[in-house]
Amino acid sequence: EIVLTQSPDTLSLSPGARATLSCRASQSVASNYLAWYQHKPGQAPRLLVYGASTRATGIPDRFSGSGSGTDFTLTITRLEPEDFAVFYCQQYATSPLTFGGGTKVEIK
Amino acid sequence: EVQLVESGGGLVQPGGSLRLSCGASGFTFSAHWMSWFRQAPGKGLEWVANVNKDGSQRYYVDSVRGRFTISRDDAKYSFYLQMNNLRADDTAVYYCASGSGFLCEYWGRGTLVTVSS
Repeated sequence: EIVLTQSPDTLSLSPGARATLSCRASQSVASNYLAWYQHKPGQAPRLLVYGASTRATGIPDRFSGSGSGTDFTLTITRLEPEDFAVFYCQQYATSPLTFGGGTKVEIK
Repeated sequence: EVQLVESGGGLVQPGGSLRLSCGASGFTFSAHWMSWFRQAPGKGLEWVANVNKDGSQRYYVDSVRGRFTISRDDAKYSFYLQMNNLRADDTAVYYCASGSGFLCEYWGRGTLVTVSS
Protein backbone atom coordinates (compact mmCIF):
# COMPACT_ATOMS: atom_id res chain seq x y z
CA GLU A 1 0.00 0.00 0.00
CA ILE A 2 1.28 3.46 -0.91
CA VAL A 3 1.14 5.81 2.08
CA LEU A 4 0.76 9.51 1.27
CA THR A 5 1.87 12.15 3.77
CA GLN A 6 0.65 15.71 3.33
CA SER A 7 2.16 18.81 4.88
CA PRO A 8 1.42 21.08 6.53
CA ASP A 9 -1.74 19.96 8.31
CA THR A 10 -3.05 23.53 8.28
CA LEU A 11 -2.11 26.60 6.28
CA SER A 12 -3.37 29.97 7.53
CA LEU A 13 -3.22 32.52 4.72
CA SER A 14 -4.88 35.72 3.58
CA PRO A 15 -6.80 36.09 0.32
CA GLY A 16 -4.36 36.96 -2.44
CA ALA A 17 -1.54 34.94 -0.87
CA ARG A 18 0.22 31.98 -2.44
CA ALA A 19 -0.37 28.49 -1.03
CA THR A 20 2.08 25.62 -1.41
CA LEU A 21 0.89 22.16 -0.37
CA SER A 22 3.13 19.11 -0.24
CA CYS A 23 2.39 15.40 -0.72
CA ARG A 24 5.05 12.73 -0.22
CA ALA A 25 4.58 9.08 -1.16
CA SER A 26 6.13 6.09 0.62
CA GLN A 27 7.12 4.67 -2.77
CA SER A 28 7.21 5.94 -6.30
CA VAL A 29 3.78 6.56 -7.81
CA ALA A 30 3.70 4.79 -11.17
CA SER A 31 3.14 7.01 -14.18
CA ASN A 32 2.76 9.93 -11.74
CA TYR A 33 -0.87 8.91 -11.23
CA LEU A 34 -1.32 11.49 -8.47
CA ALA A 35 -4.46 13.63 -8.15
CA TRP A 36 -5.43 16.60 -6.00
CA TYR A 37 -8.95 17.23 -4.71
CA GLN A 38 -10.58 20.18 -2.99
CA HIS A 39 -13.27 19.37 -0.42
CA LYS A 40 -15.63 21.71 1.35
CA PRO A 41 -18.06 20.64 4.11
CA GLY A 42 -21.32 19.26 2.75
CA GLN A 43 -20.09 19.31 -0.83
CA ALA A 44 -18.78 16.79 -3.31
CA PRO A 45 -15.00 16.56 -3.53
CA ARG A 46 -13.75 18.40 -6.62
CA LEU A 47 -10.97 17.06 -8.84
CA LEU A 48 -8.37 19.79 -9.40
CA VAL A 49 -5.34 18.06 -10.90
CA TYR A 50 -4.56 14.59 -12.22
CA GLY A 51 -1.43 13.01 -13.62
CA ALA A 52 0.44 15.18 -11.12
CA SER A 53 0.21 18.30 -13.29
CA THR A 54 -2.83 18.28 -15.59
CA ARG A 55 -5.64 20.57 -14.54
CA ALA A 56 -9.11 19.03 -14.65
CA THR A 57 -11.83 20.54 -16.82
CA GLY A 58 -12.91 23.98 -15.68
CA ILE A 59 -10.22 24.42 -13.02
CA PRO A 60 -8.74 27.95 -12.94
CA ASP A 61 -5.10 28.32 -13.87
CA ARG A 62 -4.22 29.64 -10.41
CA PHE A 63 -4.18 25.95 -9.42
CA SER A 64 -1.09 24.06 -10.58
CA GLY A 65 0.39 20.69 -9.76
CA SER A 66 3.98 19.58 -10.05
CA GLY A 67 6.32 16.81 -9.01
CA SER A 68 7.07 13.22 -9.86
CA GLY A 69 8.04 9.94 -8.27
CA THR A 70 7.49 10.43 -4.55
CA ASP A 71 7.28 14.21 -4.13
CA PHE A 72 4.35 16.28 -5.36
CA THR A 73 3.16 19.85 -4.87
CA LEU A 74 -0.06 21.74 -5.36
CA THR A 75 0.35 25.49 -5.71
CA ILE A 76 -2.47 28.01 -5.53
CA THR A 77 -1.37 31.46 -6.64
CA ARG A 78 -3.44 34.39 -5.36
CA LEU A 79 -5.94 32.66 -3.08
CA GLU A 80 -9.56 33.58 -3.74
CA PRO A 81 -12.19 33.51 -0.95
CA GLU A 82 -13.79 30.40 -2.48
CA ASP A 83 -10.49 28.47 -2.39
CA PHE A 84 -10.43 27.96 1.36
CA ALA A 85 -11.08 24.28 1.99
CA VAL A 86 -9.36 20.97 2.71
CA PHE A 87 -7.12 19.61 -0.03
CA TYR A 88 -6.28 15.94 -0.48
CA CYS A 89 -3.73 14.21 -2.65
CA GLN A 90 -4.59 10.72 -3.90
CA GLN A 91 -2.66 8.10 -5.80
CA TYR A 92 -4.65 6.14 -8.34
CA ALA A 93 -1.81 4.07 -9.75
CA THR A 94 -2.51 0.94 -7.77
CA SER A 95 -5.10 -0.64 -5.52
CA PRO A 96 -5.77 0.14 -2.74
CA LEU A 97 -6.29 3.72 -3.78
CA THR A 98 -4.97 5.91 -1.00
CA PHE A 99 -5.28 9.52 0.14
CA GLY A 100 -3.08 11.80 2.14
CA GLY A 101 -4.42 13.06 5.45
CA GLY A 102 -5.35 16.43 3.97
CA THR A 103 -4.20 20.04 4.30
CA LYS A 104 -6.69 22.59 5.56
CA VAL A 105 -6.23 26.01 3.97
CA GLU A 106 -7.92 28.52 6.26
CA ILE A 107 -8.36 32.25 6.24
CA LYS A 108 -5.83 34.07 8.38
CA GLU B 1 -24.21 18.30 -16.63
CA VAL B 2 -22.80 15.27 -14.80
CA GLN B 3 -24.76 14.39 -11.67
CA LEU B 4 -24.28 11.64 -9.13
CA VAL B 5 -26.80 11.31 -6.32
CA GLU B 6 -26.42 8.92 -3.42
CA SER B 7 -29.31 7.48 -1.44
CA GLY B 8 -29.98 4.77 1.10
CA GLY B 9 -28.03 6.03 4.08
CA GLY B 10 -29.41 5.99 7.59
CA LEU B 11 -29.12 4.56 11.09
CA VAL B 12 -28.47 0.84 11.43
CA GLN B 13 -27.53 -1.37 14.35
CA PRO B 14 -24.18 -3.15 14.53
CA GLY B 15 -24.35 -6.37 12.53
CA GLY B 16 -27.09 -4.98 10.32
CA SER B 17 -27.22 -4.35 6.59
CA LEU B 18 -27.78 -1.38 4.33
CA ARG B 19 -27.80 -0.89 0.57
CA LEU B 20 -26.56 2.38 -0.86
CA SER B 21 -27.55 3.49 -4.35
CA CYS B 22 -25.99 6.01 -6.69
CA GLY B 23 -27.98 7.40 -9.59
CA ALA B 24 -26.03 8.92 -12.46
CA SER B 25 -26.87 11.27 -15.32
CA GLY B 26 -25.15 13.52 -17.83
CA PHE B 27 -22.57 11.04 -19.14
CA THR B 28 -22.28 7.62 -20.78
CA PHE B 29 -22.58 5.44 -17.70
CA SER B 30 -21.39 2.21 -19.32
CA ALA B 31 -18.09 3.82 -20.33
CA HIS B 32 -17.00 4.64 -16.79
CA TRP B 33 -15.62 2.92 -13.75
CA MET B 34 -17.67 3.56 -10.63
CA SER B 35 -16.40 3.88 -7.08
CA TRP B 36 -17.43 4.34 -3.48
CA PHE B 37 -15.50 6.37 -0.95
CA ARG B 38 -16.23 7.36 2.63
CA GLN B 39 -15.28 9.93 5.25
CA ALA B 40 -15.63 9.04 8.91
CA PRO B 41 -16.43 11.87 11.35
CA GLY B 42 -13.37 14.09 11.77
CA LYS B 43 -11.30 11.96 9.39
CA GLY B 44 -10.07 12.17 5.81
CA LEU B 45 -11.26 10.51 2.63
CA GLU B 46 -10.99 6.74 2.25
CA TRP B 47 -11.55 4.62 -0.85
CA VAL B 48 -13.97 1.73 -0.28
CA ALA B 49 -14.58 -0.13 -3.55
CA ASN B 50 -14.74 0.21 -7.31
CA VAL B 51 -16.03 -1.69 -10.32
CA ASN B 52 -14.87 -1.57 -13.91
CA LYS B 53 -16.92 -0.68 -16.98
CA ASP B 54 -18.47 -4.09 -17.60
CA GLY B 55 -18.68 -5.20 -13.98
CA SER B 56 -16.14 -7.99 -14.39
CA GLN B 57 -13.54 -6.49 -12.01
CA ARG B 58 -14.25 -5.38 -8.48
CA TYR B 59 -11.80 -4.09 -5.91
CA TYR B 60 -12.24 -3.50 -2.19
CA VAL B 61 -10.29 -1.99 0.68
CA ASP B 62 -9.25 -4.74 3.09
CA SER B 63 -11.48 -3.52 5.92
CA VAL B 64 -14.69 -4.16 3.94
CA ARG B 65 -13.76 -7.14 1.76
CA GLY B 66 -16.17 -10.00 2.44
CA ARG B 67 -18.77 -7.68 3.99
CA PHE B 68 -19.47 -5.14 1.21
CA THR B 69 -20.40 -5.81 -2.42
CA ILE B 70 -20.30 -3.27 -5.23
CA SER B 71 -22.49 -3.77 -8.28
CA ARG B 72 -23.83 -1.81 -11.22
CA ASP B 73 -26.94 -1.74 -13.42
CA ASP B 74 -26.12 0.08 -16.63
CA ALA B 75 -29.74 0.00 -17.82
CA LYS B 76 -30.74 2.02 -14.75
CA TYR B 77 -27.68 4.28 -14.80
CA SER B 78 -27.13 3.21 -11.21
CA PHE B 79 -24.67 1.41 -9.03
CA TYR B 80 -24.85 0.07 -5.53
CA LEU B 81 -22.99 -0.80 -2.36
CA GLN B 82 -24.49 -3.66 -0.37
CA MET B 83 -23.11 -3.40 3.16
CA ASN B 84 -23.50 -6.37 5.51
CA ASN B 85 -22.33 -7.05 9.04
CA LEU B 86 -21.90 -3.35 9.65
CA ARG B 87 -19.63 -2.14 12.45
CA ALA B 88 -19.37 1.11 14.36
CA ASP B 89 -16.23 2.03 12.44
CA ASP B 90 -18.22 1.93 9.17
CA THR B 91 -19.98 5.10 10.32
CA ALA B 92 -19.21 7.73 7.69
CA VAL B 93 -20.49 9.86 4.85
CA TYR B 94 -20.38 7.64 1.77
CA TYR B 95 -19.65 9.20 -1.61
CA CYS B 96 -20.11 7.70 -5.05
CA ALA B 97 -17.83 8.71 -7.88
CA SER B 98 -17.20 7.99 -11.55
CA GLY B 99 -14.23 8.20 -13.81
CA SER B 100 -11.70 6.70 -16.14
CA GLY B 101 -10.11 3.69 -14.55
CA PHE B 102 -9.03 4.42 -11.02
CA LEU B 103 -9.21 8.21 -11.47
CA CYS B 104 -12.47 9.66 -10.13
CA GLU B 105 -13.51 12.81 -11.95
CA TYR B 106 -17.06 13.28 -10.69
CA TRP B 107 -18.43 12.82 -7.19
CA GLY B 108 -21.76 12.98 -5.42
CA ARG B 109 -22.49 14.96 -2.27
CA GLY B 110 -22.66 11.89 -0.07
CA THR B 111 -25.08 10.01 2.17
CA LEU B 112 -24.60 9.48 5.90
CA VAL B 113 -24.43 5.99 7.34
CA THR B 114 -24.53 5.70 11.13
CA VAL B 115 -23.93 2.34 12.78
CA SER B 116 -25.04 2.47 16.38
CA SER B 117 -27.22 0.64 18.87
